[in-house]
Amino acid sequence: QVQLVQSGSEVKKIGSSVRVSCKASGGSLSKYGVRWVRQAPGQGLEWMGGIIPSFGSANYAPKFQGRVTIVADEETNSIYMELSGLRSEDTAMYYCAEGTSTRMLSGLDPWGQGTLVTVSS
Amino acid sequence: EVVLTQSPATLYVSPGERATLSCRASQSVSDNIAWYQQHPGQVPRLLIYSESTRAAGIPARFSGSGSGTEFTLTISSLQSEDFAVYYCQQYDKWPPTFGQGTRLEIK
Repeated sequence: QVQLVQSGSEVKKIGSSVRVSCKASGGSLSKYGVRWVRQAPGQGLEWMGGIIPSFGSANYAPKFQGRVTIVADEETNSIYMELSGLRSEDTAMYYCAEGTSTRMLSGLDPWGQGTLVTVSS
Repeated sequence: EVVLTQSPATLYVSPGERATLSCRASQSVSDNIAWYQQHPGQVPRLLIYSESTRAAGIPARFSGSGSGTEFTLTISSLQSEDFAVYYCQQYDKWPPTFGQGTRLEIK
């Protein structure tokens, strides 16, 4: 099974942007694409958006529309998630996960190891 | 968006007993429900999708049921490794949403 390997932890200033990568190791990007989910400290899971490379454009949850950009680089088997206009409440663990179908609306399996993004002043 | 309400927030069960976790949706989501397990400091793991289909490698003691707006995750005989937080997720309506989680603790 393909594993998803994410980039390392980030510390960012309020108002800046962060870019997190998610690389498919052991194979190519899945036809099911990748979704991004975040989890604030001690909190639950929040779905942000996703991309299915063969379909082209990404889809974003309304809460993040305009602040998040998800792109795929099939040459490097990587998906990138960029979140701009960072606020303290964006401090969270960010996970990429493979979809379980070619529909954007799907379950999530497997998951990357997570990337901790800390936003401070 | 669809709100998923999980109950109870915390469930205390003894090893070897059955655990029943509930997830209620604010509107019908057909059978497009998934369940995840998360241990402290670890990555969520898919247990069940399409309401009742076990993901690869998931033991048969985990089962999902329900339809429409009421869903249940049952763990038939609790093992020590089953004590964790469980989340339901709907992927029927945009955007996908998660419940707030049920913490399963040893009684």
